[in-house]
Amino acid sequence: EVQLVESGGAVAQTGGSLRLSCEASGFTFDDYTMHWVRQAPGKGLEWVCLINWDGGSRHCADSVKGRFTISRDNSKNSLFLQMNSLTTEDTALYYCAKGADRNGYGYYFDYWGQGNLVTVSS
Amino acid sequence: DIVMTQSPDFLAVSLGERATINCKSSQSVLYSSGNKNYLAWYQQKSGQPPRLLISWASSRESGVPDRFSGSGSGTDFTLTISSLQPEDVAVYYCQQYYDTPPWTFGQGTKVEIK
Repeated sequence: EVQLVESGGAVAQTGGSLRLSCEASGFTFDDYTMHWVRQAPGKGLEWVCLINWDGGSRHCADSVKGRFTISRDNSKNSLFLQMNSLTTEDTALYYCAKGADRNGYGYYFDYWGQGNLVTVSS
Repeated sequence: DIVMTQSPDFLAVSLGERATINCKSSQSVLYSSGNKNYLAWYQQKSGQPPRLLISWASSRESGVPDRFSGSGSGTDFTLTISSLQPEDVAVYYCQQYYDTPPWTFGQGTKVEIK
């Protein structure tokens, strides 16, 4: 059974930093691209960042580019999101999600974690 | 970026009746050489993460009830729930994966029981 378990969410001050983690199990982690997707309270889904299977390709949305860094440790089946220079606009539930296919960036997302709440206060 | 627009934003349907959600992309998501539409549908129940229902516009995921179906091509797509059940109350999102990054979602359609 595929499981994605996020941790690290918390309350941070504007301008502060947080690091999210996502531990994966139930599939061959280093075969797949992984993503972070966020959802502001009462709002829709926004893709944040991706990292391919070996970390050689990483992309982030314009809204977080230069502030957020995605990484992975395949030896620990773990995905990370380092978030710096946080603003109140970053307040959201952050989901890690698995790319559905081994090819490319995996097309769509077939499994999602339960989400981890990040609250940024001024 | 491809903009995804869903309609309506809110839908109230009687139990056992049909629910229809529309999704329009700002450009075609049909990859002509493979004749595949790069369009997925997700269901999100209150307090839960999204769940993948349909990929490639019409391919239902394993375990998804057959009352859920997807159709459409190019820029216009539809998610149909043929006979609404109480457990189908949720927000539904379409997503394109044709031109990525970024992956883009529709704004969501909330489905409730009338």
